[in-house]
Amino acid sequence: DAGVIQSPRHEVTEMGQEVTLRCKPISGHDYLFWYRQTMMRGLELLIYFNNNVPIDDSGMPEDRFSAKMPNASFSTLKIQPSEPRDSAVYFCASSFDFRRANVLTFGAGSRLTVL
Amino acid sequence: DAKTTQPPSMDCAEGRAANLPCNHSTISGNEYVYWYRQIHSQGPQYIIHGLKNNETNEMASLIITEDRKSSTLILPHATLRDTAVYYCSLSGNTPLVFGKGTRLSVIA
Repeated sequence: DAGVIQSPRHEVTEMGQEVTLRCKPISGHDYLFWYRQTMMRGLELLIYFNNNVPIDDSGMPEDRFSAKMPNASFSTLKIQPSEPRDSAVYFCASSFDFRRANVLTFGAGSRLTVL
Repeated sequence: DAKTTQPPSMDCAEGRAANLPCNHSTISGNEYVYWYRQIHSQGPQYIIHGLKNNETNEMASLIITEDRKSSTLILPHATLRDTAVYYCSLSGNTPLVFGKGTRLSVIA
């Protein structure tokens, strides 16, 4: 397996534009997580899915952020409209069953810069 | 709230053992101790986890005190490639919450 695949690796956009980040989890993993990392706040959990269903989105900063998982092999995190404070590295991770063992496999991240 | 306390940084000589401490005095009975590391600009990587017994794998050893209020991650022979931020986290059946971790610098 190629691991968790995220795209794009780098995104530079202007304030007000829509940003879509993509994630392909490891096949067979039932859980998918989106984390955001900044220098000020560290790694923060935004949302996680179980079997494509959002379970907890309490970490999503505001309504400008939305996440979907239309099928077991694909998830998106969308920011619309984007703001400079959204600049961060966004990580996607997947897990077989984190309730049994919280062993997450992280992707390489998507570095977002909003000008 | 990460519920764990780690020193912000540590140095270790190459080839020596690196001992990274973590305090978790409010750990619950069903919570495991997890360790991850993050090498610069990469995603975090799982290292090891344990409940109350000491654990060892090909990457590291985990020593958990008998009262479970603290633990130590041991890298037996640190190399330059072990330079990273190491995160200690607690989890029962909830997603991982990461604190600020310990920045380990392995020095030649």
